[in-house]
Amino acid sequence: DSGVTQTPKHLITATGQRVTLRCSPRSGDLSVYWYQQSLDQGLQFLIQYYNGEERAKGNILERFSAQQFPDLHSELNLSSLELGDSALYFCASSVQWYDEQFFGPGTRLTVL
Amino acid sequence: GENVEQHPSTLSVQEGDSAVIKCTYSDSASNYFPWYKQELGKRPQLIIDIRSNVGEKKDQRIAVTLNKTAKHFSLHITETQPEDSAVYFCAASDQTGANNLFFGTGTRLTVIP
Repeated sequence: DSGVTQTPKHLITATGQRVTLRCSPRSGDLSVYWYQQSLDQGLQFLIQYYNGEERAKGNILERFSAQQFPDLHSELNLSSLELGDSALYFCASSVQWYDEQFFGPGTRLTVL
Repeated sequence: GENVEQHPSTLSVQEGDSAVIKCTYSDSASNYFPWYKQELGKRPQLIIDIRSNVGEKKDQRIAVTLNKTAKHFSLHITETQPEDSAVYFCAASDQTGANNLFFGTGTRLTVIP
């Protein structure tokens, strides 16, 4: 157990819908990262937050957005869902932005 | 952006033998190279990492080597055990200094008892 928690574990929804994934970092970690893992794209970096502020953006679609709250938990919002958004979404956290990252258990999103 | 290539995609070894997985990266400014192990349906677990000011790092049966000039790094697992069977991912940090990771495509390691 890495200490990073993610909810829900599984999410099944329909195309066009909107979902929110939640991540709680390890106690004391200031940085939160979101990654998407799919069979065709592999593990891809989406977005990073550090102490409440967006620090870097990767291959995140405009339909996706995220934020980090004052208690340092983070949410990833996915809207206008498409079949191709079906994937495992991982959150990772680190103490400082340059430290090693520890991954949460992931949320498996299935879009039907 | 950073491009990480990983080989081989699959690797089968006999229990007790060694396994070597190799990665190359494109951005000479990358300075952090972690390795993750992922079992089916589970989270990636950090098993070892190396920074660009070090050429080699060892942790029991696992070692990582880094050649900055050639821009490649390798994972070495000695005395393999069946529980080492998993998918292994290498990664390299990006050049922006934010330490975001770019992952290789993974190596499925099977250790045959």
